Order: sequence, then structure tokens, then C-alpha cells
Amino acid sequence: DVKVTQSSRYLVKRTGEKVFLECVQDMDHENMFWYRQDPGLGLRLIYFSYDVKMKEKGDIPEGYSVSREKKERFSLILESASTNQTSMYLCASSSPTGAGNTIYFGEGSWLTVV
Amino acid sequence: GQQLNQSPQSMFIQEGEDVSMNCTSSSIFNTWLWYKQDPGEGPVLLIALYKAGELTSNGRLTAQFGITRKDSFLNISASIPSDVGIYFCAGPPNNAGNMLTFGGGTRLMVKP
Repeated sequence: DVKVTQSSRYLVKRTGEKVFLECVQDMDHENMFWYRQDPGLGLRLIYFSYDVKMKEKGDIPEGYSVSREKKERFSLILESASTNQTSMYLCASSSPTGAGNTIYFGEGSWLTVV
Repeated sequence: GQQLNQSPQSMFIQEGEDVSMNCTSSSIFNTWLWYKQDPGEGPVLLIALYKAGELTSNGRLTAQFGITRKDSFLNISASIPSDVGIYFCAGPPNNAGNMLTFGGGTRLMVKP
């Protein structure tokens, strides 16, 4: 079975803390994505990466950074967490071919910033 | 930013009823995708549509790619409790390959 694994399902962090959300995929996919999901807003793209050490900003990159040191791992970093970053974060991966039907999502990470 | 308008935002229906939801865009999409997200899980692809006018079924689910390429519909027939979840439409804006824009989601609740 294909698998995208997010290391933490539920986190509670304090305002100002540095937060790492880790994602690993076992499908040898080139593309990896980080989305956040908020009620009524759907899934919004934060950052994506199409190769090791490559990254591109998505729709809402402010307050976030990413790291892709290995093909299978894509990390989302909140340098200084704020309460408006309380959300559900979804990692996804895909191969360059196809149009969406090769995109696989992780189970999500619920982050609460207090 | 988000380019897809999905409606309704939520539905509360009786088990056995049929369900219909739709998604519209101000720009043309060449691919329409429908995902379902179970509570506490990540979205899973249900149906993919690649041609205008295409009608595709997956069990009790049927989706259509609008002729104008600016809309898509998802219908669920004879709903059951496990249909509960959030349904998202999605597509690649400007034919951006594996980049997807998502609708706001339709939350479906089914009363047994």
C-alpha cells in the first residue's frame, strides 16, 4: 500500500515556539506538498517541493518554511508559532505525471497553538 | 488563492436520500477531481474527470464534468451512514499538472 506518514497527529504548542511537522512518503515521489485545512476554506497550499532541496511557495507561505533534504521527507517549519496557525496540516505527495489521481495525502496533523 | 466555489457548505440528510453537490470556477479547468475526507483522516480520491461532458460513476457516486469546463457535480445515491465526511472538488489551475486548487468542501451528515 502507498503511504504518506505524518509524524505527529496531535500537537499543542505555545506561542513563539518553533514547530516541526514531519512527513515521509514511501512511493519515491518527486513532488511533495504541505496544505493547511480550515473550516470553510478548503485546503490551502503552503509550500511544495518538486525535487530534493527545491521548494516553491504556495498560496499562504507567510509564517512557514520547509525543508527537503531527502526525497522521501518533507518538513514544515513554523519558526515562531502563533495562534492563527492553529489548524489541521496535511502533507501530500505525487509523481510528476498524471493530473491529480496520483496525489496521496497523509492523515493530517492537528496543531493547536496556545 | 482559492478559485473554486463549492456548494452547499453542509448537508444533513436522512439515510437513503440522494445527495447532490457542485463546484464552479471562474476559469476553465481541464481536470476535475472529487475527494472525500473521513473524520480525522486525509482526503482520498473518489473520482477523476478529464473531458468536458464526461460522466463517471464509482459505485453509488456519479460525477460529471460540465460542458463549459467551469463546473462539476457529484451525486451520491441512496446515502448510508458511512458517507459522512467532507467532500472536496479540486483541479489544477491553469493546467498546472499536479498542483491542485480545492473547493471549500461540503460537509455531509447522514441521519440513520
